[in-house]
Amino acid sequence: EDKVVQSPLSLVVHEGDTVTLNCSYEVTNFRSLLWYKQEKKAPTFLFMLTSSGIEKKSGRLSSILDKKELFSILNITATQTGDSAVYLCAPRRTSYDKVIFGPGTSLSVIP
Amino acid sequence: NAGVTQTPKFQVLKTGQSMTLQCAQDMNHEYMSWYRQDPGMGLRLIHYSVGAGITDQGEVPNGYNVSRSTTEDFPLRLLSAAPSQTSVYFCASSPQGQLSRAYNSPLHFGNGTRLTVT
Repeated sequence: EDKVVQSPLSLVVHEGDTVTLNCSYEVTNFRSLLWYKQEKKAPTFLFMLTSSGIEKKSGRLSSILDKKELFSILNITATQTGDSAVYLCAPRRTSYDKVIFGPGTSLSVIP
Repeated sequence: NAGVTQTPKFQVLKTGQSMTLQCAQDMNHEYMSWYRQDPGMGLRLIHYSVGAGITDQGEVPNGYNVSRSTTEDFPLRLLSAAPSQTSVYFCASSPQGQLSRAYNSPLHFGNGTRLTVT
């Protein structure tokens, strides 16, 4: 049975703080991990990670995958109120199979 | 390209009514899926399809039917709506499927349908 766990489930920080969001997974035939940001609308794509130890960056956001320990982290530095959202992760498999999301981390950034 | 198009954007149903949520994509994606999202919760997979003529159940399939007669369309049917089906429904697609093997690809989401069942 697939398992995707995200922690923390919710987080409140002040602007300028740095946050680390965690995603651990147990799926068969793992191939890649997806990160999405969701404000009050459809999720928007952030990163796709396929290789262990290679950091992907986009502005203040970065993410890395550890395929041996089966987890990924998403870092946000110098947080802004616009970073307030739910952050979702989802592992993808080798074969053509379903994509299950984790429960998400709700991030609130207060001024 | 329009991407993934969902209709309607909003819908109110009475208990017991039936309806179909529409999802269409113009990217020739093999993989299509339906999720529901309840307040304060993540996305839960209802049904998915890896190509025309092939569908399978996700995490929460009860009360929903799907079919995939074309690559472009993946409608979700509620046969007898219940208040527990009040939710926001998202359709998502990706190139991955039984033919493309493009499993290293993100999901593309539609804008969602907000359904209320009274």
